[in-house]
Amino acid sequence: LAKTTQPISMDSYEGQEVNITCSHNNIATNDYITWYQQFPSQGPRFIIQGYKTKVTNEVASLFIPADRKSSTLSLPRVSLSDTAVYYCLVSGAGSYQLTFGKGTKLSVIP
Amino acid sequence: DAGITQSPRHKVTETGTPVTLRCHQTENHRYMYWYRQDPGHGLRLIHYSYGVKDTDKGEVSDGYSVSRSKTEDFLLTLESATSSQTSVYFCAISERGGVNTEAFFGQGTRLTVV
Repeated sequence: LAKTTQPISMDSYEGQEVNITCSHNNIATNDYITWYQQFPSQGPRFIIQGYKTKVTNEVASLFIPADRKSSTLSLPRVSLSDTAVYYCLVSGAGSYQLTFGKGTKLSVIP
Repeated sequence: DAGITQSPRHKVTETGTPVTLRCHQTENHRYMYWYRQDPGHGLRLIHYSYGVKDTDKGEVSDGYSVSRSKTEDFLLTLESATSSQTSVYFCAISERGGVNTEAFFGQGTRLTVV
């Protein structure tokens, strides 16, 4: 399983764009990158997944450079309700495990 | 929301007693997972299942056992609870396993061992 590294915490003001970067230097060819969001007292929730280049959905965008050794989750115009912990996961189709790290605690300030 | 239910939602138990947590799903997903979450540690995988009677250990499996006798239920047992097992436990399910599929999580079970 590829090891991931992401910042422990980040602060942002409401209305700003937030970018959270995850490093995964030993990512394998068949590995996907997935991000989850967790609010206090709740289980994590799937946000977005990608393999390469850029993926966008109604919640976020995921940018993956050509070497795939890192990825960036972009949250446009955050609000107080985006305050949560964000987890980056990397694994391949052949792995049954779903391994979370410590995540990045995002605090949105009014 | 995915049909996944954890029971009980809260439990207080004494050190040395056995405890079983239940995860029930109505999605017919093949893969099921048990995690614990503690301050400063994020989510840590305890055990997972990739089919009926097929289970494997995660990163923090010591002191825990699991069973899956049917698709919809995944049980986590603490054979002899210790204070270090005080935690919030989450169950998750996924259709295909691994990261390249979406996993759905239960509401969590808060276990306190006194």
